[in-house]
Amino acid sequence: EAGVTQFPSHSVIEKGQTVTLRCDPISGHDNLYWYRRVMGKEIKFLLHFVKESKQDESGMPNNRFLAERTGGTYSTLKVQPAELEDSGVYFCASSLQTGVTEAFFGQGTRLTVV
Amino acid sequence: QKEVEQNSGPLSVPEGAIASLNCTYSDRVSQSFFWYRQYSGKSPELIMSIYSNGDKEDGRFTAQLNKASQYVSLLIRDSQPSDSATYLCAVTGGGNKLTFGTGTQLKVEL
Repeated sequence: EAGVTQFPSHSVIEKGQTVTLRCDPISGHDNLYWYRRVMGKEIKFLLHFVKESKQDESGMPNNRFLAERTGGTYSTLKVQPAELEDSGVYFCASSLQTGVTEAFFGQGTRLTVV
Repeated sequence: QKEVEQNSGPLSVPEGAIASLNCTYSDRVSQSFFWYRQYSGKSPELIMSIYSNGDKEDGRFTAQLNKASQYVSLLIRDSQPSDSATYLCAVTGGGNKLTFGTGTQLKVEL
């Protein structure tokens, strides 16, 4: 069974440009999460989808970030326009059920804004 | 005060020894506790989950939870060089949002 997959693995963009990250969760997992780790800091929650609905987006830093999960399958996270402080590793995770459950992570997308 | 605190390390142990990794958390309503292992440049890998006070053993790994002290630990017996990685402690407060510590780097030396 395929795990959580993320594309691209690395992205280098200039300040002001747009970047779109993609996450394919484990098949059958209704719950999809985005997390981010900036250098030297802990992994922090961004948002949580249940199927196509945003369950919790309390961690989204500002309106330059837009997450979508059309059809309740894969998800995209778009940053527009990117700023230097957006650099970090963006992780996607998925879990089977809502509630007390275990989440499985993708390998992450390393975003560098220059 | 950080919500989840871990000693960043590195924690160095000789091969075959017991590695003890510790984590404290500040939110008393935290309900679920997880240990993830992360090799450099790789995804966090779930290795243990614990939900109630006491010990939970899985192979060479034992998770210990003490909710009164707001403390969770991970013991790795018979440490191997392949155990060298960063260990992340994560907690949830009843929902699905994981709150992570910064991780402890473990080095198992030959």
